Amino acid sequence: SYELTQPHSVSVATTQMARITCGGDNIGSKAVHWYQQKPGQDPVLVIYSDSNRPSGIPERFSGSNPGNTTTLTVSRIEAGDEADYYCQVWDSSSDHLFGGGPKLTVL
Amino acid sequence: QVTLKESGPVLVKPTETLTLTCTVSGFSLSNGRMGVSWIRQPPGKALEWLAHIFSNDEKFCSTSLKSRLTISRDTSNSQVVLTMTNMDPVDTATYYCARILEGDYRDSFDVWGQGTMVTVSS
Repeated sequence: SYELTQPHSVSVATTQMARITCGGDNIGSKAVHWYQQKPGQDPVLVIYSDSNRPSGIPERFSGSNPGNTTTLTVSRIEAGDEADYYCQVWDSSSDHLFGGGPKLTVL
Repeated sequence: QVTLKESGPVLVKPTETLTLTCTVSGFSLSNGRMGVSWIRQPPGKALEWLAHIFSNDEKFCSTSLKSRLTISRDTSNSQVVLTMTNMDPVDTATYYCARILEGDYRDSFDVWGQGTMVTVSS
C-alpha cells in the first residue's frame, strides 16, 4: 500500500521560512493537498492540488510537488502558524491517505 | 455559507454499532461535483479517512474498514449518515465530516465540521 512520509516535527523562528515535506513513491504524479490543524481546532485546507490556495489563505502559504517529495512552504512565520500540518493524497491502493501531521513549532 | 455539523452518541460500548449524522447547509447533496466524507482522528494521532458519498450517490469506503462501514444520505434533510459496526476501544476518536470537492480541487476536503468525540468503553 502507498505510504506518505513526513518529519515528526519542524521548528522555525518567527519571521523565518518553514518548509514541511511529504514524501511518497512518485508523489509528483498525484494531487497533494495540505491541511493546517491548530490545537483543539478543526483542520483547515491551506493548499489544494499541489500549489493552489483556497480563498482566504494568505499568500505566505505555498506548495510545490516536483517529484518524490512535495513541500509546503510558509514564509514570514508568525506565532499563529503553530499547528500540525497534514499532507493528503488519493491512491488506488490506499484510498485517501494522510501523512503523520508534523507539528510546526514557532520559536 | 457552507457548514457541516456532526451528531451522534458520545459513548458506545464495545461490539455496539455507531451511527453518526452529518447535517449540511449551504450546498446540495445531490448537485455539483462534490460530496461528503467522514474522517476520524484518535486522540493525539493523525487523521484517517473513512468514507465518502458523492452527489451522484457514488460511495467509497476505506479498504481496511469496508466490512464495518456503511455510508448513506438523506437529501431531503441534507444529511449524511455513517454507521460503523462492532465498535472497539481503538475506534475512540473525534469523528469529522467534511465536504469533498471534485474537479480542480481533486477530491480535497475544503470545509470541515467541528467534529464529535466518540469514546468506546464498557
